[in-house]
Amino acid sequence: LAKTTQPISMDSYEGQEVNITCSHNNIATNDYITWYQQFPSQGPRFIIQGYKTKVTNEVASLFIPADRKSSTLSLPRVSLSDTAVYYCLVAKGYSTLTFGKGTMLLVSP
Amino acid sequence: AAGVIQSPRHLIKEKRETATLKCYPIPRHDTVYWYQQGPGQDPQFLISFYEKMQSDKGSIPDRFSAQQFSDYHSELNMSSLELGDSALYFCASSPPRTGGRDTQYFGPGTRLTVL
Repeated sequence: LAKTTQPISMDSYEGQEVNITCSHNNIATNDYITWYQQFPSQGPRFIIQGYKTKVTNEVASLFIPADRKSSTLSLPRVSLSDTAVYYCLVAKGYSTLTFGKGTMLLVSP
Repeated sequence: AAGVIQSPRHLIKEKRETATLKCYPIPRHDTVYWYQQGPGQDPQFLISFYEKMQSDKGSIPDRFSAQQFSDYHSELNMSSLELGDSALYFCASSPPRTGGRDTQYFGPGTRLTVL
């Protein structure tokens, strides 16, 4: 399983764009990159998933360079409610998810 | 939209007792995963089922067992409970396999406290 490394914590202010980068140097050809958000005492919530280049949905964008050894989750104009732990996961489809240490994002007024 | 349902949401047990956690996947989802998240820890995979058969096994203690039923709901049975079993237990489900990628949808979790 590809191991991921992401910052332990990040701080931001309301209205700013937040970019969280995850490195996954030994990602396999059939691995996908998925980001989850987790609030305290709640189940992880799917944010976005991609394989290469750029993916955008209503809540975030995911940038993946050509070598796929890293990825960046971009959250536009964060609000206080975006304070949560963000997990970057790399896995092939229909396989178990191995959660590493996520990034604790703290958004302040 | 319907989500993953877990019951009970909270459970308090004594050491050496047994507990059964239930998971009802999103309708038409055929794969169920169980994860354990201890206090201040990241979720850890326990076991998964696909089409009612065990498909993968993680760090699930021998004291625990699980199964998926014909209606695709799943139950995690925990015996001889220990203090260290106190954690949040999440169930996730994913839709039928039609391509190379899938997304796991997590339930709200069951908080198990062992006294």
